[in-house]
Amino acid sequence: AQRVTQPEKLLSVFKGAPVELKCNYSYSGSPELFWYVQYSRQRLQLLLRHISRESIKGFTADLNKGETSFHLKKPFAQEEDSAMYYCALSGDPGGYQKVTFGTGTKLQVIP
Amino acid sequence: DTGVSQDPRHKITKRGQNVTFRCDPISEHNRLYWYRQTLGQGPEFLTYFQNEAQLEKSRLLSDRFSAERPKGSFSTLEIQRTEQGDSAMYLCASSLGLSGYTFGSGTRLTVV
Repeated sequence: AQRVTQPEKLLSVFKGAPVELKCNYSYSGSPELFWYVQYSRQRLQLLLRHISRESIKGFTADLNKGETSFHLKKPFAQEEDSAMYYCALSGDPGGYQKVTFGTGTKLQVIP
Repeated sequence: DTGVSQDPRHKITKRGQNVTFRCDPISEHNRLYWYRQTLGQGPEFLTYFQNEAQLEKSRLLSDRFSAERPKGSFSTLEIQRTEQGDSAMYLCASSLGLSGYTFGSGTRLTVV
């Protein structure tokens, strides 16, 4: 079974402070991991995927297989980063099959 | 192509009635997914299609739920004899290759 755990429902940080949104996963094979974001009144959208090793809007995430974690980080939070963030996992290398989502963390950036 | 479209945006229905939702994916995407999201939870997988073939169904999808994608383009999700527990946001997504999912805005169902 595949499972994604996001331990924080709400994370509040001041503008300019570093951000780390935690994500742990449970999967027996080699998963593909994603972060999705939902801004207020917008649809859920892909932020980044671990296989791409990219930085989007200043966010990065490193897959740590030993700790089964995929934490999302940004060195300096901006007000426009306030949103709901979902960590997600697919057991399929291409991410084609079902993706399992965590319960989400609401990031609130305080001006 | 303006992305994934879902219709209607909102649906209020009485318990016991049938409802049907429609999803139009991005035209070149061959995979289509249905998810359900309730308050405070992440999206939960319901089912997915590759072209017109329904390849996986979640145990969440009881016998009252049925999904189709008749020509490998748009998809419908029908819920028969709705119950209050069916109240949720129903999300559709599509994908092609390694691009990840593109989600629609969802259909919010309220069963009264």
